[in-house]
Amino acid sequence: SAVISQKPSRDICQRGTSLTIQCQVDSQVTMMFWYRQQPGQSLTLIATANQGSEATYESGFVIDKFPISRPNLTFSTLTVSNMSPEDSSIYLCSVDDRGGYGYTFGSGTRLTVV
Amino acid sequence: GDSVTQMEGPVTLSEEAFLTINCTYTATGYPSLFWYVQYPGEGLQLLLKATKADDKGSNKGFEATYRKETTSFHLEKGSVQVSDSAVYFCALTDAGKSTFGDGTTLTVKP
Repeated sequence: SAVISQKPSRDICQRGTSLTIQCQVDSQVTMMFWYRQQPGQSLTLIATANQGSEATYESGFVIDKFPISRPNLTFSTLTVSNMSPEDSSIYLCSVDDRGGYGYTFGSGTRLTVV
Repeated sequence: GDSVTQMEGPVTLSEEAFLTINCTYTATGYPSLFWYVQYPGEGLQLLLKATKADDKGSNKGFEATYRKETTSFHLEKGSVQVSDSAVYFCALTDAGKSTFGDGTTLTVKP
C-alpha cells in the first residue's frame, strides 16, 4: 500500500488566519480525498482532488473556505482559510491505492483554533 | 443515501476476552465493506475488507463476514490484547464514495 506523509501533525492557530496542510504520497495516485474528523465523531468527506482538475466539494464545504491544490499525482494541499474555533478538528488526507477496495490514510493534522 | 451504524462505545474488555463490535449498513448499490482501525495519534489503517456477500475478511486475528441478508458486517476477535486498544470504524464504499460509521473506542485492560 501507499505511504502518505502528512504535515503538520498538529498546530494551534489564531482565529482569522489560514493553515495549509500538505500530503505527499510515495506513489502516483489518481484520486486523493480530504476528510475532517471532529472530536469523538466520524469522518466527513470535504472534497475529492484529482490531478489536473478542480476539486469536487461535498455539500457544506466550499472552495473559498477550503481551497485545494493537486499539482501532480503524488502531492496535494488543503488550506483552511479564515479559521474560527469551529474549525478545530483533525484533518486527514487519503488515497485510493487499492482500486476502490480500501483507502490509505495520512496520520492526520490536529488543528486547534484559539 | 448510504449510511453506516456502529454499536456505541466505549467498549472496555479484559485481556483475552472475546470482542464483537456490531455494524449495520444501508446502501443503494452493492457496496464493499471495511473495518479501519485508528491508534492514538495516528491516521486510519485498513484492517480488513469484504467485497461481496458472504465474503469473510480477516487480519491480525480480527474477522468480519459480509451478511447481505442482515446488512451487517460485525467485527470479531476471539482473544483481545492490550495492543488492540484503538478506535474501530466500519465503512462502506459504494460507487466510488465512502461512508464511515461513528467509530467505537475499544480499551483492553491487562
